[in-house]
Amino acid sequence: EAGVAQSPRYKIIEKRQSVAFWCNPISGHATLYWYQQILGQGPKLLIQFQNNGVVDDSQLPKDRFSAERLKGVDSTLKIQPAKLEDSAVYLCASSRTGTDNQPQHFGDGTRLSIL
Amino acid sequence: TQLLEQSPQFLSIQEGENLTVYCNSSSVFSSLQWYRQEPGEGPVLLVTVVTGGEVKKLKRLTFQFGDARKDSSLHITAAQPGDTGLYLCAGRTGTASKLTFGTGTRLQVTL
Repeated sequence: EAGVAQSPRYKIIEKRQSVAFWCNPISGHATLYWYQQILGQGPKLLIQFQNNGVVDDSQLPKDRFSAERLKGVDSTLKIQPAKLEDSAVYLCASSRTGTDNQPQHFGDGTRLSIL
Repeated sequence: TQLLEQSPQFLSIQEGENLTVYCNSSSVFSSLQWYRQEPGEGPVLLVTVVTGGEVKKLKRLTFQFGDARKDSSLHITAAQPGDTGLYLCAGRTGTASKLTFGTGTRLQVTL
């Protein structure tokens, strides 16, 4: 089966600009996650979707970050305006369901650099 | 906020050596997973442990979940250059699917 697809792979912007990332999960996976991984750290969950509904967005900086999964399939994550501390790899993952120990399958991420 | 501390943070060893990576928390987890992440790629699941005291083996890798389900270890026997990567533990509480990732251990195995 095809894996989780993310684009772009790399993005360089200046602070205060806006940026958007796209994720297409594995077909049939109901749950989609966005993580932020700062260099040298483990991934931190930003938002979790179950189909097109938000399950957990407690760690999403809502003043500048937004995410949507309108049709319950692919998803976009937006940052507006970007700050220097947003430099990180943004990982998308999906799982078949959002319960038990369903494995999460990760994409290769988008590396964001803020100048 | 549940914190998962991993140690050591960095490890550089030669091929053939053994090593152990630790993952510790003050919180109790219903399950714990170990992932390996290579540069430019996303984490890949290695194993899930769910029962206190559980031991799982994956070729040269041995994973153990602590009796109290607050800690875990990963032991690699006779490390190979292909084992190089970032090792991440991740815990889950209750039936929620939210994973809390550890701080990571970066392993480098040289010839």
